[in-house]
Amino acid sequence: KQEVTQIPAALSVPEGENLVLNCSFTDSAIYNLQWFRQDPGKGLTSLLLIQSSQREQTSGRLNASLDKSSGRSTLYIAASQPGDSATYLCAVITQGGSEKLVFGKGTKLTVNP
Amino acid sequence: GAGVSQTPSNKVTEKGKYVELRCDPISGHTALYWYRQSLGQGPEFLIYFQGTGAADDSGLPNDRFFAVRPEGSVSTLKIQRTERGDSAVYLCASSLNTGGTQYFGPGTRLLVL
Repeated sequence: KQEVTQIPAALSVPEGENLVLNCSFTDSAIYNLQWFRQDPGKGLTSLLLIQSSQREQTSGRLNASLDKSSGRSTLYIAASQPGDSATYLCAVITQGGSEKLVFGKGTKLTVNP
Repeated sequence: GAGVSQTPSNKVTEKGKYVELRCDPISGHTALYWYRQSLGQGPEFLIYFQGTGAADDSGLPNDRFFAVRPEGSVSTLKIQRTERGDSAVYLCASSLNTGGTQYFGPGTRLLVL
């Protein structure tokens, strides 16, 4: 059974700092991995999707990397801003037929002005 | 264009009542997913439709839960004899094709008193 873990559970940083969020998964046979952002009381916003054959994806100040063999992904946020404050969720689709996403519990990020 | 929409945004009901939650996916998206999110947790998979058929319903917790997508577009999640433990945010997502980015709606917050 696929399990996704995100560390740390919460992170507080000053504005302008570069930061890394970590995600690990137990079954390396994944189809793809997605990073999402969730603001309080809101739905999920997709940030980046990495296919299993890819090593990384970039969008603006965000860079996500994937090391499938070790079961790890990182989300790098450059020059953090208070508007980046949210919960960041990592999720994978495991190979084997179902398209369901298996989520971690998320990292709650606070960027202080 | 319009994103995934869900109605109602909030639903309060009494234990034992029947509820229906509606999801309107992005136009043209063939895949539709239902997830449930409890406070402080990541979303958990319930059921996934490809077209009109349920491709994977392994996440439905018991036979009180049922979902339909009769015309391959709008979906309804139906919960019979609600229990207090059913209280959660119910999230719907859609994707253009299998393995693609899943786009989430704002969710329906269900409270069972």
